[in-house]
Amino acid sequence: DAGVIQSPRHEVTEMGQEVTLRCKPISGHNSLFWYRQTMMRGLELLIYFNNNVPIDDSGMPEDRFSAKMPNASFSTLKIQPSEPRDSAVYFCASSLGSLGPQHFGDGTRLSIL
Amino acid sequence: DQQVKQNSPSLSVQEGRISILNCDYTNSMFDYFLWYKKYPAEGPTFLISISSIKDKNEDGRFTVFLNKSAKHLSLHIVPSQPGDSAVYFCAARDTSGTYKYIFGTGTRLKVLA
Repeated sequence: DAGVIQSPRHEVTEMGQEVTLRCKPISGHNSLFWYRQTMMRGLELLIYFNNNVPIDDSGMPEDRFSAKMPNASFSTLKIQPSEPRDSAVYFCASSLGSLGPQHFGDGTRLSIL
Repeated sequence: DQQVKQNSPSLSVQEGRISILNCDYTNSMFDYFLWYKKYPAEGPTFLISISSIKDKNEDGRFTVFLNKSAKHLSLHIVPSQPGDSAVYFCAARDTSGTYKYIFGTGTRLKVLA
């Protein structure tokens, strides 16, 4: 079975550019999560969706970050404009119900120059 | 303010010995705890969990202990194997507000052959 699929795996771009990260959750999972991993803060939850509806976006750092889930099989995390401090690994995860163990994608390593 | 803390960023253990990874939390509303294992360039994978109504859960070489009064949990790996070398994250489920998991910063375990 296919796991959570994230694209791209790596992204290098210049400060000020728009960045879009993509995620395809496991089929049948109805909860989707976006995390950011940094050395200082570990895995931080940015936002999560239940049945395509955003439930908690309190972890989104600022207005430059936005996330959408137009359907059950696709989600995007967008940063506009990007800044060097946004450099991190971004993970998408999905689960059956928001309380179950989450299945993670392999992440997108983002570098903003 | 980290609600889930893994105070040891790294740990080295000899193959065949016991590995003990620790995690402390501050919020008494956490009711369920998980451990994830993460290899380089991959997403975290679920390892083992424990409910707050239990004090121990065992799965093969992995055992998680929960001390609610101390707000402390630990993961024991016995015997440790080189393939266990990875970063381990503990996560706690927050039942206040929107249910979500809060992750620690991770502990890098190195099992020496």
